[in-house]
Amino acid sequence: ETGVTQSPTHLIKTRGQQVTLRCSSQSGHNTVSWYQQALGQGPQFIFQYYREEENGRGNFPPRFSGLQFPNYSSELNVNALELDDSALYLCASSSTGISYEQYFGPGTRLTVT
Amino acid sequence: AQKVTQAQTEISVVEKEDVTLDCVYETRDTTYYLFWYKQPPSGELVFLIRRNSFDEQNEISGRYSWNFQKSTSSFNFTITASQVVDSAVYFCALSQLGDKIIFGKGTRLHILP
Repeated sequence: ETGVTQSPTHLIKTRGQQVTLRCSSQSGHNTVSWYQQALGQGPQFIFQYYREEENGRGNFPPRFSGLQFPNYSSELNVNALELDDSALYLCASSSTGISYEQYFGPGTRLTVT
Repeated sequence: AQKVTQAQTEISVVEKEDVTLDCVYETRDTTYYLFWYKQPPSGELVFLIRRNSFDEQNEISGRYSWNFQKSTSSFNFTITASQVVDSAVYFCALSQLGDKIIFGKGTRLHILP
């Protein structure tokens, strides 16, 4: 069974640019959640996708957007990057309706300069 | 509103000592789930335990034990005979299963040899 994978591992972007982060969910999971973890803080919920639809959103501006594909993999897009967007971005997959346990990927560390 | 408080920002103990990490939560829901995660320097969140709000039985897993007390809204985590490999950041978290996970700010644990 393949676990949750994320790419890239690290990324450096300049303020104002756009970035796309990718997540492949664990086999059999149909739900993906994204979290942002700033340095020294706990992860904060960005949004969740279930069957290609957004299914809940945290307190993040619209420049944070996402997609889920038919194979349940997902993308997180951030437009107009700001310095405060520098963080570890974690993806978690789960299987709604069977076992709701969220399994986390290793994360993508984004640095905005 | 849901909230998780980990009052201990950082703890240092000498190897083989016991250590307890405190967690206090707030929620108006009657059904909820509590979690502990470990985050080693690599950054990946490692799931340790999940408890539902109807199960106040304490749990022991090897050197780890958890004390869930609904009356005080606490879900404390004890490591017995600590080892250097236990050094990490530990997060307590709260959710309704399938929903977003609310994390505390974490406790950084240093086990000194």
